[in-house]
Amino acid sequence: EDKVVQSPLSLVVHEGDTVTLNCSYEVTNFRSLLWYKQEKKAPTFLFMLTSSGIEKKSGRLSSILDKKELFSILNITATQTGDSAIYLCAKGGSEKLVFGKGTKLTVNP
Amino acid sequence: ETGVTQTPRHLVMGMTNKKSLKCEQHLGHNAMYWYKQSAKKPLELMFVYNFKEQTENNSVPSRFSPECPNSSHLFLHLHTLQPEDSALYLCASSHDRQAPGNTIYFGEGSWLTVV
Repeated sequence: EDKVVQSPLSLVVHEGDTVTLNCSYEVTNFRSLLWYKQEKKAPTFLFMLTSSGIEKKSGRLSSILDKKELFSILNITATQTGDSAIYLCAKGGSEKLVFGKGTKLTVNP
Repeated sequence: ETGVTQTPRHLVMGMTNKKSLKCEQHLGHNAMYWYKQSAKKPLELMFVYNFKEQTENNSVPSRFSPECPNSSHLFLHLHTLQPEDSALYLCASSHDRQAPGNTIYFGEGSWLTVV
């Protein structure tokens, strides 16, 4: 069975903190690892990772994939209240995406 | 604006009603999806259409009936639903179901409440 496990399930931090979100996955049919941010409704795409060890950055967000240990991390530096959301990790296989349960991040002022 | 539009955004229906959710994508994609998001559960894939053909049905009860008249439009017909079917229903599209990575773009979702 395909599994994507995210940790922690929820996290509360203060503005300015740096956070690291974790995602581990099973290797079956692996093609890519994707991160999404879900605020109120639709998940919005953040990153797609296919190669091990190559960091992708977008502003204060960055992500990296470790295909040997089968995990990815999403880092957010200098967090802001607008970063509060559920962050979803998904494994892209040959036919579909399998999502984790998400990490609910709350950034307090 | 993601290029994937869903209507209605909110729907309240009785268990004996028949209603439909509509999705339209303006991205020129060939694959479209219905996902269900319930509280405290991962996103669940319901149906996949690729070039208008249904390629996946993830053991979804028959009270949910998808329809894909063309590559840009996807419907989810609902009838005799149960209260536990109340959830956020997300439509999504991607360029090609088989493409590596398969980046998916989501619509805003339709909040369904079954009373």
